[in-house]
Amino acid sequence: ELKVEQNPLFLSMQEGKNYTIYCNYSTTSDRLYWYRQDPGKSLESLFVLLSNGAVKQEGRLMASLDTKARLSTLHITAAVHDLSATYFCAVASTNAGKSTFGDGTTLTVKP
Amino acid sequence: NAGVTQTPKFQVLKTGQSMTLQCAQDMNHEYMSWYRQDPGMGLRLIHYSVGAGITDQGEVPNGYNVSRSTTEDFPLRLLSAAPSQTSVYFCASREGWNNSPLHFGNGTRLTVT
Repeated sequence: ELKVEQNPLFLSMQEGKNYTIYCNYSTTSDRLYWYRQDPGKSLESLFVLLSNGAVKQEGRLMASLDTKARLSTLHITAAVHDLSATYFCAVASTNAGKSTFGDGTTLTVKP
Repeated sequence: NAGVTQTPKFQVLKTGQSMTLQCAQDMNHEYMSWYRQDPGMGLRLIHYSVGAGITDQGEVPNGYNVSRSTTEDFPLRLLSAAPSQTSVYFCASREGWNNSPLHFGNGTRLTVT
């Protein structure tokens, strides 16, 4: 059974600071996704990482994938209030491509 | 382009009642799925489908039925609602079943009393 663990589950940051969210998964997969969810809203896709060493960046967010360590990171650079949200990583299994989600990291950026 | 449309947005049921949550997508996506989201537990897969006429169970299928008679629609049926099924339900679809990310509907907030 594929398990996905994120940490931390809650993160409170000051604006302008940097931090990293970690996503570990238990079985071999080379397809990892990051999603963002605003309070009371749906989820939207942020990044798709498809191979070992993949790195994607958009704005102040950068995601990377290490398939050998079964680890993905979401790095936040110089956080701003608009980044406050819950971030989920999800790993797609080789069986039909169904996705298993982590429990999410709720990020609060304070001025 | 509507994307993934879920109805209703909110629903209150009494224990033992049945109902169907509707999900439709207009992107011709082969893969569709239902998740439930509970506080502190992320999203858990209930059922999924890789194409019309094909469905399979996810992590938490008990108490739910699905069918996929068309590519566009993937309804989720609660057979006999229980308080433990109080949750937010998301329908999501994906192009093919390979590398594309999931596209989510806006969710249905269900309360069972």
